[in-house]
Amino acid sequence: SQQGEEDPQALSIQEGENATMNCSYKTSINNLQWYRQNSGRGLVHLILIRSNEREKHSGRLRVTLDTSKKSSSLLITASRAADTASYFCATTPTSGTYKYIFGTGTRLKVLA
Amino acid sequence: AAGVIQSPRHLIKEKRETATLKCYPIPRHDTVYWYQQGPGQDPQFLISFYEKMQSDKGSIPDRFSAQQFSDYHSELNMSSLELGDSALYFCASSPPRDTQYFGPGTRLTVL
Repeated sequence: SQQGEEDPQALSIQEGENATMNCSYKTSINNLQWYRQNSGRGLVHLILIRSNEREKHSGRLRVTLDTSKKSSSLLITASRAADTASYFCATTPTSGTYKYIFGTGTRLKVLA
Repeated sequence: AAGVIQSPRHLIKEKRETATLKCYPIPRHDTVYWYQQGPGQDPQFLISFYEKMQSDKGSIPDRFSAQQFSDYHSELNMSSLELGDSALYFCASSPPRDTQYFGPGTRLTVL
């Protein structure tokens, strides 16, 4: 069963607006990563946040992690049409190997 | 920088046929992972290898098998293909217990 659940499943915004996507998970994790996937294409690594970190920034991306609530959020500021894609969180549980458990993804559409 | 290479990029097979997907990891990455992503679905972990040994197994059907070779490339063998096997198959590589880098995927269509 999948550990990560993403919210919302679909999001449509205007260019220039901010987009916030949330991810919840169930077990203890080593880290959480966010990936972007353009329609039917490969998974592009965006950002990694470790379990002992609370917030991380990379360009227009801001990721938060709340291990007490087992949740993370990805904020994309000043969105662009090129940000249109699906966004997945992937967690690595503390137990077992380093396989990723993906959430169901948020489909973001940025309208020009 | 070198990325993960997957071949073929597209594959069309008939039901009950076999398919072999190949993955060439980033140099010096000794861990390979396989994931399956059905249409509109999230990627699901299938199997992983570390130093040529299977390290973990997920929701991989018994009809599928995989191995990692001495040069660290990996192959996913799929037999008795079913319509439901149509999906994107991703390979990812990483150093031990580190960020995974994904290949472009192989799109398998079973007719």
